[in-house]
Amino acid sequence: ETGVTQSPTHLIKTRGQQVTLRCSSQSGHNTVSWYQQALGQGPQFIFQYYREEENGRGNFPPRFSGLQFPNYSSELNVNALELDDSALYLCASSLGFGSGGYGYTFGSGTRLTVV
Amino acid sequence: AQSVTQLDSQVPVFEEAPVELRCNYSSSVSVYLFWYVQYPNQGLQLLLKYLSGSTLVKGINGFEAEFNKSQTSFHLRKPSVHISDTAEYFCAMGGGSEKLVFGKGTKLTVNP
Repeated sequence: ETGVTQSPTHLIKTRGQQVTLRCSSQSGHNTVSWYQQALGQGPQFIFQYYREEENGRGNFPPRFSGLQFPNYSSELNVNALELDDSALYLCASSLGFGSGGYGYTFGSGTRLTVV
Repeated sequence: AQSVTQLDSQVPVFEEAPVELRCNYSSSVSVYLFWYVQYPNQGLQLLLKYLSGSTLVKGINGFEAEFNKSQTSFHLRKPSVHISDTAEYFCAMGGGSEKLVFGKGTKLTVNP
């Protein structure tokens, strides 16, 4: 049973650019959630995808968008990058939507640095 | 609004000593509660979770937590810590919506 895989592990972007982060969910999981973890903070919910539809969104602007594919993998896209977007982006998969009653499995994250 | 407060940002302890990491939550609905551990440059690993039933929850690596509804707390404990327990620990809450709400974390440092 494979866990959650995120790519890339690190990347550096320039302010104003666009970035795409990728996540492969754990085998058998049909829900993917994305979280942003700024330095020294706890993770903040960005959005959740269930069966290719957005199932909830946190307090993030529209330049944060996502996709979920038929194989339940997911992408997080961020347009017009700002310095404050520098953070660790975590993907979590689960079986069933909701906030964890089924249990989340987190990936190791993508460290994004915006310069 | 739901919120999670971790009362200590840093906790230093000596090896083989007991430790308690404190977590309080605020919610108007029934909750699920979790503790996660994060080692440097890694993602989050689930230590334990409370969904319902017994208020004393046992997790991996010898950790346990007790759900106290009247005090809205979910403190994490370990009777004897090891150097390898050095990490950041996050308390999280779910149940009111699709998201988990996390605390700001507690850095546990175990000294020899």
